[in-house]
Amino acid sequence: AQSVAQPEDQVNVAEGNPLTVKCTYSVSGNPYLFWYVQYPNRGLQFLLKYITGDNLVKGSYGFEAEFNKSQTSFHLKKPSALVSDSALYFCAVRDTNAGKSTFGDGTTLTVKP
Amino acid sequence: DGGITQSPKYLFRKEGQNVTLSCEQNLNHDAMYWYRQDPGQGLRLIYYSQIVNDFQKGDIAEGYSVSREKKESFPLTVTSAQKNPTAFYLCASSLGVLPNTIYFGEGSWLTVV
Repeated sequence: AQSVAQPEDQVNVAEGNPLTVKCTYSVSGNPYLFWYVQYPNRGLQFLLKYITGDNLVKGSYGFEAEFNKSQTSFHLKKPSALVSDSALYFCAVRDTNAGKSTFGDGTTLTVKP
Repeated sequence: DGGITQSPKYLFRKEGQNVTLSCEQNLNHDAMYWYRQDPGQGLRLIYYSQIVNDFQKGDIAEGYSVSREKKESFPLTVTSAQKNPTAFYLCASSLGVLPNTIYFGEGSWLTVV
């Protein structure tokens, strides 16, 4: 079975400060990991993914994520937050042996001016 | 433009009625998915389809039905057997099953009146 956890329901940061949104996962095989962002009343937008290779993955809008196999984590990061980054962020995992992806419960990021 | 089109954006259902949500994609993706999102919560998989004329139940299939007669279309019917259908419904697609990114439509709000 596969699972993903986003331990923080809410993350608050000041504009210009670095941000981190946490994600941990559990799979039986090798993981495929994804981050998505959702703005109010909209669908999810793809930010980045880890399949294999370099542990640091760069994605859209200046976001990046670091795959850590020993800690089974895939935290989303950005060096300098913008107010417009405020949204709901979802981590997702797909086991190479699984037929579907599992999404976390989401983390609401609020960036204050 | 390529993408996933969901319609209608807002739909109201009376008690005892069946309603159908439309999902069309022109991305030439093989796999399509339906997710349910309740306010403040994560995504739950209802049904998914990897190829035409085939589909599998997700985690919360009871009270829902789907069809996949064409590659580009994956309509979802919310039946009267679904006792709590008020939610935000998201259709998605991916090029294949593994390990490809899932892309989402803009969602449809269903409200029982």
